[in-house]
Amino acid sequence: GQSLEQPSEVTAVEGAIVQINCTYQTSGFYGLSWYQQHDGGAPTFLSYNALDGLEETGRFSSFLSRSDSYGYLLLQELQMKDSASYFCAVRSGYALNFGKGTSLLVTP
Amino acid sequence: IAGITQAPTSQILAAGRRMTLRCTQDMRHNAMYWYRQDLGLGLRLIHYSNTAGTTGKGEVPDGYSVSRANTDDFPLTLASAVPSQTSVYFCASSEGQSTSTQYFGPGTRLTVL
Repeated sequence: GQSLEQPSEVTAVEGAIVQINCTYQTSGFYGLSWYQQHDGGAPTFLSYNALDGLEETGRFSSFLSRSDSYGYLLLQELQMKDSASYFCAVRSGYALNFGKGTSLLVTP
Repeated sequence: IAGITQAPTSQILAAGRRMTLRCTQDMRHNAMYWYRQDLGLGLRLIHYSNTAGTTGKGEVPDGYSVSRANTDDFPLTLASAVPSQTSVYFCASSEGQSTSTQYFGPGTRLTVL
């Protein structure tokens, strides 16, 4: 089977840096994805790591270590609009298996 | 249309009634998916389709059926709704089954009483 673990809640101050961790157990690993979801909205794709290392996209970066079955999403220069839920997901054959999500609250 | 549309936006349904949630995409994506999202449980896959004419079961398929008559449409049917099917339903698509980038519709909020 598959399982993904991520913290349920994280709080950070505007302008700060926050890291959201994800550990996974899966067979046939194809890569780790991250999605953002604002309250009441659709999940939107943020990043994808197939290989070890860091991928940077603007203020967001994502890291993967396949040997440790671990990845994280790094958000820099936090803004109030970054308050949302963040999901890690692993692909297994036909579809994605999502973690339960991390609720990020950015405070002034 | 740009992306994925879902209808209705929300619905209140009596238990035992039949209901079809509609999903249409205009990106010519081969793969489509239905998820349900419940508080504290994240997104769980109900059914998927890798290409028109084929469908498969996900993690929580019981009580749901799908069809994929063409590339653009992927309706989800609840044959006889039960209160445990109260949830937010998201349709998604991707270029192929091997891609990890999925595009989600706005969701349908369904309440079964």
